[in-house]
Amino acid sequence: AQSVAQPEDQVNVAEGNPLTVKCTYSVSGNPYLFWYVQYPNRGLQFLLKYITGDNLVKGSYGFEAEFNKSQTSFHLKKPSALVSDSALYFCAVRDVNRDDKIIFGKGTRLHILP
Amino acid sequence: IAGITQAPTSQILAAGRRMTLRCTQDMRHNAMYWYRQDLGLGLRLIHYSNTAGTTGKGEVPDGYSVSRANTDDFPLTLASAVPSQTSVYFCASSRGNEQFFGPGTRLTVL
Repeated sequence: AQSVAQPEDQVNVAEGNPLTVKCTYSVSGNPYLFWYVQYPNRGLQFLLKYITGDNLVKGSYGFEAEFNKSQTSFHLKKPSALVSDSALYFCAVRDVNRDDKIIFGKGTRLHILP
Repeated sequence: IAGITQAPTSQILAAGRRMTLRCTQDMRHNAMYWYRQDLGLGLRLIHYSNTAGTTGKGEVPDGYSVSRANTDDFPLTLASAVPSQTSVYFCASSRGNEQFFGPGTRLTVL
């Protein structure tokens, strides 16, 4: 069965520093991988996705993520954090060989400290 | 309408009552989903529909039912609400690999 893990419940980063939010996954076949962001009292917003091709994927708001097949990871990164990046971040995976269901991680709360 | 709308925004419900959460999208997406979001548990899939006329069970389907009579609407029904169904419910739709989420419904069952 497919699954996704976000090992950190919360990540604190000083403004201007680089940030990383970790995600690992497990699928039987090839993965489609996604990152979503949720601001308070809002629905989830799409940030970026990996389907195929270049392992480094660039997305919205200056975020990027690197697909690492050997480590089954898809960590979210940003070179310089902003206070406005503070939110709840979800990693998600879909098994290419299965149906359309996407499985979400439990989320990581990112706090950017001014 | 632009995107996905959900109604109501919030609701307080007595246990044992029947409740339908509404979801409508205007993007003509084939696939639609219902998730519940609970602290520490993330998003869990309740039911989904790959196309109008078909539905399927997700991770936590018990106590919930859905229907998909047309492409735009995907209502979620709690036949007899219980306190453990207190949660924030999100509807989503997708075409291809990206999911689009509604603003959510906050449901409290007392």
